[in-house]
This record gives sequence, structure tokens and C-alpha cells, in this order.
Amino acid sequence: DQQVKQNSPSLSVQEGRISILNCDYTNSMFDYFLWYKKYPAEGPTFLISISSIKDKNEDGRFTVFLNKSAKHLSLHIVPSQPGDSAVYFCAAVTGNQFYFGTGTSLTVIP
Amino acid sequence: GAGVSQTPSNKVTEKGKYVELRCDPISGHTALYWYRQSLGQGPEFLIYFQGTGAADDSGLPNDRFFAVRPEGSVSTLKIQRTERGDSAVYLCASSPGGRGVGTQYFGPGTRLTVL
Repeated sequence: DQQVKQNSPSLSVQEGRISILNCDYTNSMFDYFLWYKKYPAEGPTFLISISSIKDKNEDGRFTVFLNKSAKHLSLHIVPSQPGDSAVYFCAAVTGNQFYFGTGTSLTVIP
Repeated sequence: GAGVSQTPSNKVTEKGKYVELRCDPISGHTALYWYRQSLGQGPEFLIYFQGTGAADDSGLPNDRFFAVRPEGSVSTLKIQRTERGDSAVYLCASSPGGRGVGTQYFGPGTRLTVL
């Protein structure tokens, strides 16, 4: 039972354009959401987070949007850079447990 | 290094054997998590330690899996009577304390292969 879903396994974007990664969840008890970035042979690295009481959080080129009524969050990267090419995981938190999506592989084409 | 380290990086074992996977968290981090990541999946929660005690072990799949953190620092994940389905990357993460939301630091993982 996948409580956090990333329906796009891969995404290709031209350098300088916007990358939009999407994530859907089913559990209304989630109260915190995070995005992680993962390079091959490394562990995930925390990127940005948002509390369920907010609908937007911005950090430099990265913005996370939360739509609680739709149980949907998205990560916007603008402008996209080749170094952003990696697998991106969204995660949702309730209690002490983190639930991860299956990841989206982003390729930024120079 | 100052990050989370995990040993070994790779472990190949035979079905039915016992394995131990080690995690060295960042010094001073009181919270420690173990995850399992199967091919094509996201990390799956296994167990969470706050200090020396397992605050939440509800993610352990069965009683073949056990984890300890006797001194509140290094943790060992132990798998008895390994099965081929246990093959995965086992990730460890630590955080400064509390729920550690947004401040989990992951290690590189141990890739376990059960033949």
C-alpha cells in the first residue's frame, strides 16, 4: 500500500528551463513533507521541506508547493542546471515515520 | 569524515546465513533510522532509535530482523536466516534529535545480496 506516489519515473528538461516534479499522497495524517535528492551510490540528501500548515516554501532555485485538498505536492526547480540531474524522492511524515515515494529521475540537458 | 558511515558497503551472503550491518551516525545525533530500499522503490522505514531505545520498530518486516544501539551511537542491523527477498540497499540516517524532520542525514547504504 503505497501512501506516497511519484507517478513519473523520469523527466528530461532543457538547461535553464523549469523542472516540475510531482508527488501525491493518500494519508491525511501526514503533517510534514520533504524532498530529497539522490546521486548514484550515495544516500539521499535533504533538499527542502514544508509543513502541512503552509502551501509554499522557497529556498533559492527550489520551491515546494503543497495542495492539501488535492493531497498533492510539487517541487519546482528554476532555472534547471545540469548538476540537478539526479533521482528526487518526496517523503511524508507522520509521527516518527517517514514514507517515501518511488522517485523521479531528472535529467537536465545542457 | 563528519557524515554518516555504513559498513560494509557491499555484502554478499548465502541464503540462510546471518548478517550484521553497521551504521556510524554523525557525532551527537540522538535519532537514528534504518531504511530498506529495494530496486525501483523508495526507502522503506524499518526502525527508529531515540538514544539507546527503539522508539518505533513497526517497520521491521518480521522477527528475523533486529537492530540495536547499545550506547546511543553506533547501531547494528541484524538479519537472521537471510532470504533472497532480503536483497536490497539498507540505508541508515541520523538527525540531531526529536523527530528530526527535515534534518535526516543519510549514509551511502549497504548493498546486501542474498544468493
